[in-house]
Amino acid sequence: EIVMTQSPATLSVSPGERATLSCRASQSLGSNLAWHQQKPGQAPRLLIYGASTRATDVPARFSGSGSGTEFTLTISSLQSEDFAVYYCQQYINWPRTFGQGTKVDI
Amino acid sequence: EVQLLESGGGLIQPGGSLRLSCAASGFTFSSYAMSWVRQAPGKGLEWVSTISGSAGSVNHADSVRGRFTISRDNSKRTLYLQMNSLRTDDTAVYFCAKGSIYYASGSYEDSWGQGTLVTVSS
Repeated sequence: EIVMTQSPATLSVSPGERATLSCRASQSLGSNLAWHQQKPGQAPRLLIYGASTRATDVPARFSGSGSGTEFTLTISSLQSEDFAVYYCQQYINWPRTFGQGTKVDI
Repeated sequence: EVQLLESGGGLIQPGGSLRLSCAASGFTFSSYAMSWVRQAPGKGLEWVSTISGSAGSVNHADSVRGRFTISRDNSKRTLYLQMNSLRTDDTAVYFCAKGSIYYASGSYEDSWGQGTLVTVSS
C-alpha cells in the first residue's frame, strides 16, 4: 500500500497570504496525484489532477506541482472561501490512498 | 451538470446488512468508472471500492473485502454498495464519486455526491 503523508497538519494563514501544502508518497506516483478540497459538512471537490492540471472551474490561484514522491499544492492568495481541509490522493495503485489532510484556517 | 445522489444510509446493528444506492445524472453513466469513498466522523477520506464502466473490473479495500460488494446497473444509471457483516468501525459518511475515465485503473474521482451516513451501533 502506498502511504501518503501530508504536512503540515494545520496551516494558519491570513486572507491574501500564500499557502503551501505538501504531500509525500512512499513510492513513486509519476504524476498520478490528485488534490481534493473539503469544506465542513460538504462533499469533497476535485481541485487538481495529474499533479498539476486544474479541474474545471477551479480558480487560477490554485496550482499543483511535483512528480514522483514529492508534491505541492499552492494557493497564491487565500480567499475566505479557501479555508478548508485539503487531501492528496494517489491513483496509480490499488488500494487508492489519501493523505490525512491539511486543514487551512485563520 | 453531474449529479450524484446517495441513499440507503441509516442506523444498523453490528452484523447487519445495508445496501447503498447512488443515482447518477448529467453524464453518460456507463462510460465512467465509479467509486465509493467513506469518511468516519471527524476523520479523513478512505477509499472503499471502484468499479469500471462495464462492471468488468472491481476493486475493494482490504478493510471491506469479503463483506462489501460494489455493483452498478447501467440501464438504471445507479451505483450500489452492498454492505454485509457490518462492524462499528464501518460507521461513516459514504460518498459516491464519478471516475475520470471508463477504466478503473488510472481513474481518479472527479465529481462527488453529498454522501449518506451509515451508523453501526447496538
